Amino acid sequence: QKEVEQNSGPLSVPEGAIASLNCTYSDRVSQSFFWYRQYSGKSPELIMSIYSNGDKEDGRFTAQLNKASQYVSLLIRDSQPSDSATYLCAVIIQGAQKLVFGQGTRLTINP
Amino acid sequence: EPEVTQTPSHQVTQMGQEVILRCVPISNHLYFYWYRQILGQKVEFLVSFYNNEISEKSEIFDDQFSVERPDGSNFTLKIRSTKLEDSAMYFCASSVLAATGELFFGEGSRLTVL
Repeated sequence: QKEVEQNSGPLSVPEGAIASLNCTYSDRVSQSFFWYRQYSGKSPELIMSIYSNGDKEDGRFTAQLNKASQYVSLLIRDSQPSDSATYLCAVIIQGAQKLVFGQGTRLTINP
Repeated sequence: EPEVTQTPSHQVTQMGQEVILRCVPISNHLYFYWYRQILGQKVEFLVSFYNNEISEKSEIFDDQFSVERPDGSNFTLKIRSTKLEDSAMYFCASSVLAATGELFFGEGSRLTVL
């Protein structure tokens, strides 16, 4: 079983709508979860971190965590064309000093 | 704004040659990482480094790979004898804290092995 799984997409969303990105992870004891954004040909950039069950909001972004279901999601409200990128879910593997990434979901916002 | 810098941005080499990729982490960061991303694939962990020692390494990081912090600023990844399958984008990252997912990535070094 993959440590971090995401639907690779592409996910296409009209401008102004809500984009919903999902991720599941296999390590039941993981405590730290992250969303990175990667524009084509660029490096990953951290956009959100979440450590507790529930929702965490930062501007147009909301991260949601459900540890019982081993599920993390990212909502992007009022999607803009500049949000078009690959979104990487990442998890700290408990007891290890490494951040493990999913394969990413490619998001396209259509004007 | 402080940033992680990597050189070279692109290197082309022949199979079997040695390659050294260089990184200058953010100055007050203590933990350093190398990741790679083969074209179209996911970002894969290679190695983490703290206090002049490897903290963690992946199965990919075999005897052909080594890391070093030769001075107070540079952090290098050496591939001793490159293979075709080493062709990838190599990202250096740094963080203030250990076991954190809040990494700052450099722009990457694209390695092409012919």
